[in-house]
Amino acid sequence: AQKITQTQPGMFVQEKEAVTLDCTYDTSDQSYGLFWYKQPSSGEMIFLIYQGSYDEQNATEGRYSLNFQKARKSANLVISASQLGDSAMYFCAMRDRSNTGNQFYFGTGTSLTVIP
Amino acid sequence: DSGVTQTPKHLITATGQRVTLRCSPRSGDLSVYWYQQSLDQGLQFLIQYYNGEERAKGNILERFSAQQFPDLHSELNLSSLELGDSALYFCASSVGRSTVRNTGELFFGEGSRLTVL
Repeated sequence: AQKITQTQPGMFVQEKEAVTLDCTYDTSDQSYGLFWYKQPSSGEMIFLIYQGSYDEQNATEGRYSLNFQKARKSANLVISASQLGDSAMYFCAMRDRSNTGNQFYFGTGTSLTVIP
Repeated sequence: DSGVTQTPKHLITATGQRVTLRCSPRSGDLSVYWYQQSLDQGLQFLIQYYNGEERAKGNILERFSAQQFPDLHSELNLSSLELGDSALYFCASSVGRSTVRNTGELFFGEGSRLTVL
């Protein structure tokens, strides 16, 4: 079974609008972490936001927020007031523990295009 | 700047050759992960090291090998290269455990772009 599922291969959003990128995860651990990374066309992987499984509040970092719904095992990224520079690939990731230590799992990514 | 250094940034070589990619993790990070990203693909986990020891293996081909040295830098060796090995190879480091003070996220290097002709 997929540990991280991103069902939106591509998304379009108008500049200055908000957009939600979907992510669902699968783990039996009680303690885990959820991450979003941005990969612009230049290729580097940029850490955006983190949500711990025990965090009661949704994480926020500037224009990024993570809509964490634990019972539904979803960790959607919300980008508010989209900018042209937000056009990039976005990856959802999860860290849980295996018998070999922390393991990270990545989704297949969502390509976001911001339209002027 | 993530603090993770990868060299070389770009590499062009021929089929059948062997290359070595190098990674210096962030200061203090004990875990190193290697990922392969082919064109328009997601990240494929290759292998993980923690404090010099192999911790986990993903979809790493037998032609590929890696190691982490006592100073914690890591090398990924790719041999008998094929056209399909052309990809962006990422190294990422992590402290190795999450604590109250850090989230244990992965810090990525800028990647080594390998082109096999």
